[in-house]
Amino acid sequence: DTAVSQTPKYLVTQMGNDKSIKCEQNLGHDTMYWYKQDSKKFLKIMFSYNNKELIINETVPNRFSPKSPDKAHLNLHINSLELGDSAVYFCASSLRAGEETQYFGPGTRLLVL
Amino acid sequence: KQEVTQIPAALSVPEGENLVLNCSFTDSAIYNLQWFRQDPGKGLTSLLLIQSSQREQTSGRLNASLDKSSGRSTLYIAASQPGDSATYLCAVPPGGGADGLTFGKGTHLIIQP
Repeated sequence: DTAVSQTPKYLVTQMGNDKSIKCEQNLGHDTMYWYKQDSKKFLKIMFSYNNKELIINETVPNRFSPKSPDKAHLNLHINSLELGDSAVYFCASSLRAGEETQYFGPGTRLLVL
Repeated sequence: KQEVTQIPAALSVPEGENLVLNCSFTDSAIYNLQWFRQDPGKGLTSLLLIQSSQREQTSGRLNASLDKSSGRSTLYIAASQPGDSATYLCAVPPGGGADGLTFGKGTHLIIQP
């Protein structure tokens, strides 16, 4: 059984479009995260949600809007896509905020043309 | 602001050797430290998590140590195998709460058959 899943796995789109990436975890965790891995493979936290509430937003442009319909889901919506948004986006979850092992999804590879 | 550095950036060794990967962090006020493995084009797999009160953790051929006061951790891999080839990432949560993880840039490891 997949613990943290993301869809789609690949996303190719034109500049200016709006797209969404979905994330689901079946681990019963309270906290979910979105990370961005850039072309140099550097991973950086974008958002953190605890029990459906936004905890941190690490200076991410407001074109990025996370939405958590319930504790098991954290979706990422991106408006007006730019070339620089091309990256791999990883969703993760942990049992509690900041104290436990984080489990990562397989990633969504976004390419903006 | 927490910064994580990993040395070396890349390492290539013959199969069977024991090796050490290094990680240092600037702010010693951490809850824990986590080591991950990332295979090309894949997500992150958690290898070991060391709580701040612990000195080391072991899993199979892997041993991770933590010296919180000096801001250092090492990942020891015994009897390396070609299947160990991957990028190894060290990460720490900056403090309490859902702060996400701050990652190093990783050590790209190649084990030569």
